[in-house]
Amino acid sequence: DAMVIQNPRYQVTQFGKPVTLSCSQTLNHNVMYWYQQKSSQAPKLLFHYYDKDFNNEADTPDNFQSRRPNTSFCFLDIRSPGLGDAAMYLCATSPPAGLATYNEQFFGPGTRLTVL
Amino acid sequence: RKEVEQDPGPFNVPEGATVAFNCTYSNSASQSFFWYRQDCRKEPKLLMSVYSSGNEDGRFTAQLNRASQYISLLIRDSKLSDSATYLCVVNKGAQKLVFGQGTRLTINP
Repeated sequence: DAMVIQNPRYQVTQFGKPVTLSCSQTLNHNVMYWYQQKSSQAPKLLFHYYDKDFNNEADTPDNFQSRRPNTSFCFLDIRSPGLGDAAMYLCATSPPAGLATYNEQFFGPGTRLTVL
Repeated sequence: RKEVEQDPGPFNVPEGATVAFNCTYSNSASQSFFWYRQDCRKEPKLLMSVYSSGNEDGRFTAQLNRASQYISLLIRDSKLSDSATYLCVVNKGAQKLVFGQGTRLTINP
C-alpha cells in the first residue's frame, strides 16, 4: 500500500544533542510537509517542499532545518534540541496541483521526540 | 485572532447521541475545508472534505457557511469508536493548510 513512513517512531535525545528525523513516501507526491504538534495543540507547519523548492514558515526557529534529497525522502534536523522542542513531529504529503485531491494531506504516523 | 477557531471541548456524550461541532475561520479567501480525525497519540486522518452545498458521508454531515465563515460537523447515532479529536482544517493557499486546535469527543457506553 502507498503510504507515508516516519522513522523512528520514538526518539529520545539529550538537551543540545542534534537529532534527525526521517520521512519517506511511496505516494509519489511532489509536496512534503513537516509539522510540530504539542499536546492538545494544533499541528503547526514548520516548512514544506514543492519538489525541491523549500519554503520556510516565518516563525520556524533557525534550530530546525530540513533536507529533501529526492522525491521520496525528507529529513528534519534539529540542531540543538531544547526542552521546548519535545513534541510529535508529523510528516505529510500532498499530490500535485491540478488533481482534485491536491489540497488534501496524507500524514505519516509521526515521531514522538523526548528531550532529556 | 486565530486563523481557525474551535471549541476544544471536551464533549462527553452517550452512545447513540447526536453531536455537533463548530468551527470559524478568519481568511475569507479560503477555498478548501476539511474535517480531520485524530486518535490519541496518532496522526491526523482525513474524515471528509466540506463542500459549499454541504455533504454527507454515512452518519457524518458537514456544512459550510461562507458568509459567516463557519464550518460544522454533525455526527448522528454516535459510536464508541467515534471517540477522538476532530480537527477543523482550512486551506490558506498554495497547498498549505491551517489546523484548528481540535475538539475532543468522548462517547460513553
